[in-house]
Amino acid sequence: NAGVMQNPRHLVRRRGQEARLRCSPMKGHSHVYWYRQLPEEGLKFMVYLQKENIIDESGMPKERFSAEFPKEGPSILRIQQVVRGDSAAYFCASSQSNSPLHFGNGTRLTVT
Amino acid sequence: GDSVTQMEGPVTLSEEAFLTINCTYTATGYPSLFWYVQYPGEGLQLLLKATKADDKGSNKGFEATYRKETTSFHLEKGSVQVSDSAVYFCALGDNAGNMLTFGGGTRLMVKP
Repeated sequence: NAGVMQNPRHLVRRRGQEARLRCSPMKGHSHVYWYRQLPEEGLKFMVYLQKENIIDESGMPKERFSAEFPKEGPSILRIQQVVRGDSAAYFCASSQSNSPLHFGNGTRLTVT
Repeated sequence: GDSVTQMEGPVTLSEEAFLTINCTYTATGYPSLFWYVQYPGEGLQLLLKATKADDKGSNKGFEATYRKETTSFHLEKGSVQVSDSAVYFCALGDNAGNMLTFGGGTRLMVKP
């Protein structure tokens, strides 16, 4: 049973470009969470999604960031017009109802 | 809002030394408490958890006791190994471990 798969592992973008981060949850999991880890800091909650629905996006910046979890395919975290401050590790986690989170290995975004 | 405070690292110990990583929290209601471990280049893995006051979570020689009176969940291990070198995160959340609030993480380095 494959774990949570995130790709790419490393992503380099120039300022102003778009970054798309993908997350395939564990098989059978319908809940997806995105967290951001800034250098030398803990993880900060961004958004919680279920299939085709955003349940809680209280941690998402109001501009440039969006997330989706379509009926088919992976969850996508999109960052438009990236800035240097977006450089971080982005972790996806998945779960089924009332089960612990399983984390992916993260995508490390570097904005140059 | 909810928050978690951990002792700052890095914590550097010799092999077989005793480990304590302090964690205190602020929360409304009665959260569950968790310790996660992050090995270099990887995502977070659940290490242990406790769901109510006076519960003790334990795994791989690590343990932590949910202390409601001191709002603490300190992580301990009697004899650390080099392979325990990692970043440890204290977190609180609902019973299933979703919607987690993380502390800033404590880096542990164990020297042979």
